[in-house]
Amino acid sequence: GENVEQHPSTLSVQEGDSAVIKCTYSDSASNYFPWYKQELGKRPQLIIDIRSNVGEKKDQRIAVTLNKTAKHFSLHITETQPEDSAVYFCAAFKTSYDKVIFGPGTSLSVIP
Amino acid sequence: DGGITQSPKYLFRKEGQNVTLSCEQNLNHDAMYWYRQDPGQGLRLIYYSQIVNDFQKGDIAEGYSVSREKKESFPLTVTSAQKNPTAFYLCASSGAGSYNEQFFGPGTRLTVL
Repeated sequence: GENVEQHPSTLSVQEGDSAVIKCTYSDSASNYFPWYKQELGKRPQLIIDIRSNVGEKKDQRIAVTLNKTAKHFSLHITETQPEDSAVYFCAAFKTSYDKVIFGPGTSLSVIP
Repeated sequence: DGGITQSPKYLFRKEGQNVTLSCEQNLNHDAMYWYRQDPGQGLRLIYYSQIVNDFQKGDIAEGYSVSREKKESFPLTVTSAQKNPTAFYLCASSGAGSYNEQFFGPGTRLTVL
């Protein structure tokens, strides 16, 4: 089945710097890659997603890139702010598999 | 807040007791999921259901049971067979088909005393 790895497990950046989180997946048939943000004590919420027919997607300060050949995708946050501090989960989804496989998460701390 | 609710928010259980966690959604979603989250760890899939009266085991189904008698409801029972049930439990739902966002409930924190 699908396996999703995520690095780093923890990340600290200064406010205003960029943060990058990287994920790899094992099943080349996976075709949808969402990213979720979970603030402390709250539920995960979708922040951005990308489909396998797209190489990059951007939404304000957040961008995601996908390299299908290498089977990895990354989340980029620019101009980080303290409210970006949270745990971020990447995930992979394959239509025929019908379930989302999550990575183990990255705890991001933005230092004011 | 997304139309998916879980109750109770906190639950305490004595060892050897079964307990049922509630999950309800009014989003008309076909698919529903249960995840377990331990401190500092990711989301592990317990059970999922794509349609009423049908469900499949996830990666850590042992010691858990579910039912899907109604589209809106997907309760999870943590049985006494689950050796380490203390955790944060998240329910989620999504629409049918590909590329559908999962909406999560607020979670239930279960503590075994």
